[in-house]
Amino acid sequence: EPEVTQTPSHQVTQMGQEVILRCVPISNHLYFYWYRQILGQKVEFLVSFYNNEISEKSEIFDDQFSVERPDGSNFTLKIRSTKLEDSAMYFCASESYHPRESQETQYFGPGTRLLVL
Amino acid sequence: GESVGLHLPTLSVQEGDNSIINCAYSNSASDYFIWYKQESGKGPQFIIDIRSNMDKRQGQRVTVLLNKTVKHLSLQIAATQPGDSAVYFCAENTLRNRDDKIIFGKGTRLHILP
Repeated sequence: EPEVTQTPSHQVTQMGQEVILRCVPISNHLYFYWYRQILGQKVEFLVSFYNNEISEKSEIFDDQFSVERPDGSNFTLKIRSTKLEDSAMYFCASESYHPRESQETQYFGPGTRLLVL
Repeated sequence: GESVGLHLPTLSVQEGDNSIINCAYSNSASDYFIWYKQESGKGPQFIIDIRSNMDKRQGQRVTVLLNKTVKHLSLQIAATQPGDSAVYFCAENTLRNRDDKIIFGKGTRLHILP
């Protein structure tokens, strides 16, 4: 069964450093998302991406964050200068159809646990 | 602001019994609701969804009920098994423009007792 994959599974970094979290969405999917989950809290939307551009971003997704789809398979989230409060699980998700058109929903990857020291 | 939430943070159920996890939402315009299961260290896993024009939807051992009058959503799991132990999130899919970001509630941890 196709699945969303993410690398690395764990990342430890120093405050102020740049990190890039990588995702390989399901191959025929067109819509891509990043979410984060601070330990013990709910999953929060960060950004959605379609047709090589950001569709929507949350207040969390400030100028320190960026996303990119550098080739036909990878979808990356970059944090330019990490802060302590960026420590969280980051989930990538992908979807093939817009829900207005089908019953398809978002499929989530296993997550990358980011720890900023 | 927050539009989706859960009534109980933790629920313990005897193995083999049925469990019901409840959720309330506040946005009357919501038209798509999803239940996700999250096991420790893993990403949210889709369980079942329901559109706002439906009251009930059944899957394998799971049933979702939607009461739009009181803005309430529930997930029923029949004959619970040890593998059902996880955190369950109700979520709202906000359909606007091309985006359909998911808004998650805080989650209910389900413990299956032997």
